[in-house]
Amino acid sequence: QSALTQPPSASGSPGQSVTISCTGTSSDVGGFGYVSWYQQHPGKAPKVIIYEVSKRPSGVPDRFSGSKSGDTASLTVSGLQAEDEADYYCSSYAGNNNYVFGTGTKVTVL
Amino acid sequence: QVQLVQSGAEVKKPGASVKVSCKASGYTFIDYYIHWVRQAPGQGLEWVGWINPSSGSTRYAQKFKGWVAMTRDTSITTAYMELSRLKSDDTALYYCARTRMMNPDDAFDVWGQGTKVTVSS
Repeated sequence: QSALTQPPSASGSPGQSVTISCTGTSSDVGGFGYVSWYQQHPGKAPKVIIYEVSKRPSGVPDRFSGSKSGDTASLTVSGLQAEDEADYYCSSYAGNNNYVFGTGTKVTVL
Repeated sequence: QVQLVQSGAEVKKPGASVKVSCKASGYTFIDYYIHWVRQAPGQGLEWVGWINPSSGSTRYAQKFKGWVAMTRDTSITTAYMELSRLKSDDTALYYCARTRMMNPDDAFDVWGQGTKVTVSS
């Protein structure tokens, strides 16, 4: 199972929006509704910010939103804040009880 | 509060085995799947597999089949992951994580603090 493809980096100024893509195949992202996004700050465990493509856990700001089109999922962070600077990983169920993560994207707040 | 607390750091020689524990508290242990995920230094997340704490059934990523074993002890609400025949590229931070619902495909809403495993001669 190959990792999902994400851009290595993305950046934006405070208040701007940044969108991260997560490209897979019809066997993972495109085939199932279980796409999640995780935020990881340095030295910390990942934290789920989006599940089932576009749902936010309680406590996650509505600045974070998720979507999917075909084999590509996307995470948008609107109104970028300093604390949003982190690594972001997508993940997807990949059938046959398999799971796959994305390659990760480092978001920098300029 | 709901939490997963993992065992401490390990240093092992190539060819040895390591067993990492993940103690659950604050929720009903058998009601949620436990996944294991690893992260090599400076690298991304890699899914290792899951265990159903209720039945003990397991699923492993293809690359780990044959040298990973996940078990649990429901009496002490603890899940375990054992890796055998360790190689230097198994050096990583190993996390346990709980699924959001009783569905192995769901997102991981609670994570352990991670256990650093170093493989070095």
